[in-house]
Amino acid sequence: DIQMTQSPSTLSASVGDRVTITCRASQRITTWLAWYQQKPGKPPNLLIYKTSSLESGVPSRFSGSGSGTEFTLTISSLHPDDFATFYCQQYDTYPWTFGQGTKVEIK
Amino acid sequence: EVQLLESGGGLVQPGGSLRLSCAASGFMFRSYAMNWVRQAPGKGLEWVSAINARGDSTYYVDSVKGRFTISRDNSDNTVFLQMSSLRAEDTALYYCALDPAPGAGDSWGQGTLVTVSS
Repeated sequence: DIQMTQSPSTLSASVGDRVTITCRASQRITTWLAWYQQKPGKPPNLLIYKTSSLESGVPSRFSGSGSGTEFTLTISSLHPDDFATFYCQQYDTYPWTFGQGTKVEIK
Repeated sequence: EVQLLESGGGLVQPGGSLRLSCAASGFMFRSYAMNWVRQAPGKGLEWVSAINARGDSTYYVDSVKGRFTISRDNSDNTVFLQMSSLRAEDTALYYCALDPAPGAGDSWGQGTLVTVSS
C-alpha cells in the first residue's frame, strides 16, 4: 500500500500568514493527489484534485502543487475560516490512502 | 446540488453484521464510481471501499477484505456497504463519497455512526 505522510502534524499560524503543508508518498503517484479540509463535527470538503486543480467554489488563496512523491498545499493568506484539519489523499492506486492530517491552529 | 445521505449505522456486538446505505441525488449516479470512507472517533480518514459506475469492479482496504461487501443499485441511486464479522476497530463514522473530481466539493453527507461493542 502507498503510505502518505503529512508534515507538520500541527501548525500554529496567524490570520494573514502564508501556510504550506507537505504530503509525501511512499512511492510515485503521478498527479492523482487530492486535498480536503475538515472542520470539527463536519464532513471533509474537497479543496484540490489532481494535485493542483481547484474545486469550484474554493477560494483562490488555496493552491496545490507537486509531482512524483512530494506534494504541497499552500494557503497564501490565512483567513479566520481556514482553521481546520487538512488531509491529502492519493487516488493513484488502490487501496487509496490518506495522510494522517495536519491541524492548523490559531497562534 | 449533489447530495449523499448515509443511513443504517448503529450499535452492534462484535461478530455482528450491519448494512449501510447511501442515497444519492443531484447527479447522474449511474455514471460515477462511489466510495466508502470511515473516521474513527478523534482519528483521521480511512478509505474503505470503492465500486465502479457499472458495479462490476470493487476494491477494499486490506483490513475489511472478506468481511465487507460494497454494492450499488443504479435504478435506485443507492450504494451499500454490507459489513459482517464486525470488530471493535470498525467503530467509526462511515461516509460515502464521490471520487475526488470536479463537482465533488462539499458533497459528502454527515455520515452514519457504527459502534461495535458488547
